[in-house]
Amino acid sequence: KNEVEQSPQNLTAQEGEFITINCSYSVGISALHWLQQHPGGGIVSLFMLSSGKKKHGRLIATINIQEKHSSLHITASHPRDSAVYICASYMYSGGGADGLTFGKGTHLIIQP
Amino acid sequence: KAGVTQTPRYLIKTRGQQVTLSCSPISGHRSVSWYQQTPGQGLQFLFEYFSETQRNKGNFPGRFSGRQFSNSRSEMNVSTLELGDSALYLCASREGRAGNTIYFGEGSWLTVV
Repeated sequence: KNEVEQSPQNLTAQEGEFITINCSYSVGISALHWLQQHPGGGIVSLFMLSSGKKKHGRLIATINIQEKHSSLHITASHPRDSAVYICASYMYSGGGADGLTFGKGTHLIIQP
Repeated sequence: KAGVTQTPRYLIKTRGQQVTLSCSPISGHRSVSWYQQTPGQGLQFLFEYFSETQRNKGNFPGRFSGRQFSNSRSEMNVSTLELGDSALYLCASREGRAGNTIYFGEGSWLTVV
């Protein structure tokens, strides 16, 4: 059974700071998702990674398959980045998709 | 292109009743999956459908069921509701079964009293 661990659980930072959120998983996976959830419930997929690194604006996601670890970085953080960030692993077994296994989330607050 | 649409957005049910939630995926998306989110357990996978077939099911009791129609729209049903079923139920769709970006709906907030 895949376990997904995220750290930190809560993070408060000042506007402009560089933010790092970490995610570790226990078994080999097909892909890892980084999700963003704002108050009210809506979830947006930020990245889907199976190897290497992806960048979108001020967001950067990396994954190390050998170490079973992924990081989400936010450069020049802004109060609008305040949200819950969730990593989720996806294992495709061929006979049937195993669905997403989620971390508990990181509650990020960026203060002006 | 319209996003993933879930209905109803909010509902209140009484213990013992049953509830049906609906999800319309993005046009062209054949994979629909359902998730439950609670403060205690976080997000948990319920089940995934692809081309009307349930491909996998999470660790939930048989009271939780679902189906997918030929137009890819999906419904999930919870029978004999319990207080612990109070949660945000999220539906997501993607174009294929794996390797594609997943798109979530806004969710259905279920309160069981």
